[in-house]
Formats: sequence, C-alpha cells, structure tokens
Amino acid sequence: DVKVTQSSRYLVKRTGEKVFLECVQDMDHENMFWYRQDPGLGLRLIYFSYDVKMKEKGDIPEGYSVSREKKERFSLILESASTNQTSMYLCASSTQGQGYGNTIYFGEGSWLTVV
Amino acid sequence: ILNVEQSPQSLHVQEGDSTNFTCSFPSSNFYALHWYRWETAKSPEALFVMTLNGDEKKKGRISATLNTKEGYSYLYIKGSQPEDSATYLCASRSARQLTFGSGTQLTVLP
Repeated sequence: DVKVTQSSRYLVKRTGEKVFLECVQDMDHENMFWYRQDPGLGLRLIYFSYDVKMKEKGDIPEGYSVSREKKERFSLILESASTNQTSMYLCASSTQGQGYGNTIYFGEGSWLTVV
Repeated sequence: ILNVEQSPQSLHVQEGDSTNFTCSFPSSNFYALHWYRWETAKSPEALFVMTLNGDEKKKGRISATLNTKEGYSYLYIKGSQPEDSATYLCASRSARQLTFGSGTQLTVLP
C-alpha cells in the first residue's frame, strides 16, 4: 500500500519557536509537496520538491523553508513560529509531474497550534 | 494563481438520496482535473483524474464528468450512504501547478 507518513499529528508550539514537520513516503516518488489547509481557503501549496536537494516555492512560502536531503523525506521548517501559522499541514507525494495524469498521495495531516 | 470554485460549500442529504456538486475552473491552460474524497482524520483519497473534454469516470456509486471548454466538472453520488459523508475536493492542473478548491462538505443523514 502507498504510504505517506507525517510523524507529528498534533503539535502545540510557542511563538518564536523553530518547528519541524517531517514527512516520509515509501513509494520512491520524485515529487513531494507541503500544503496548508485553512477553513474556506482550500489546500494552498507552500513548497514542493521534484528531486533531492531541489525545492520550489509554492503560493505561500513566506515564513517557511524546506529540506530534502533524501528522496523519501521532505521536511517543512517554521524558522520562528507565529500565531498565523496555526493550521493543518498536509504532506503529499507523486511521480513526476505535479498531478498531470498522476495521482497525488497525501499524509494524514499535522495539526499545528502556535500560542 | 488559478481560481477553482466548488459549490455548494456544504450539503446535507438523506440516506438513499442522489446528489451532485460542481467544480469550476479556468478553461485556459488546462491539463487535468482531480477529485479527492477527504474523510475526517484520514488522508485525502484520490477518486478520479480526468483530462479530456467529455470524460466520464465511474467508481461504484460515484461518477464524474468533465467539460473543459466551459470549465466545469460535476461529481455525482447515487443513493448516498452515511459512509459517503466527507469533504470532496477538486483540483485543476495547469502547466505549473495543481490548484485546489475549498471543497464541498457532504453529510449523509441515516
């Protein structure tokens, strides 16, 4: 079975803390993505990566960075967490091409609360 | 950024009813349309990927159609069951990225 695993499901962090959200996929997919889900706004793309050590900004990259040192792992980093980053974060992966003819597989999400 | 709209935002139906909802997307620079089902506390699950105008896909009681010329897709559920309760997301693929709508939240009442 296809598997995208987000290790932290629920986190509470303080303003200013550095936060790491980890994602691992076991499908040998080239592409990995981080989305953010907020009520009424749909899934918004933060960053994506199409290869190891490669990254591209999505629609809302401000306040975030990413790391992809190994093909199976894609980390989202909040350098200094702020309350407006309280949200649900979804990791996803796919084979080459962001969705054209290829299914995107999602993790179960990480709920982050910044206080 | 593409503007992908879904309607209605939420919907309550009785068990056994058939229902449908709409996804609207810009028809220019279109590559593919995705439908996902997202149950609470689970991962979004892919339902369909459609690319050609006039495409129709079916999976059990769920089906979808695509009109790329006018920029819309319909998702139909025949004989809704409580286990169909979920948020249904559509996403439109352009040359650069996949843009999601905000979803239709379906609740099927027993």
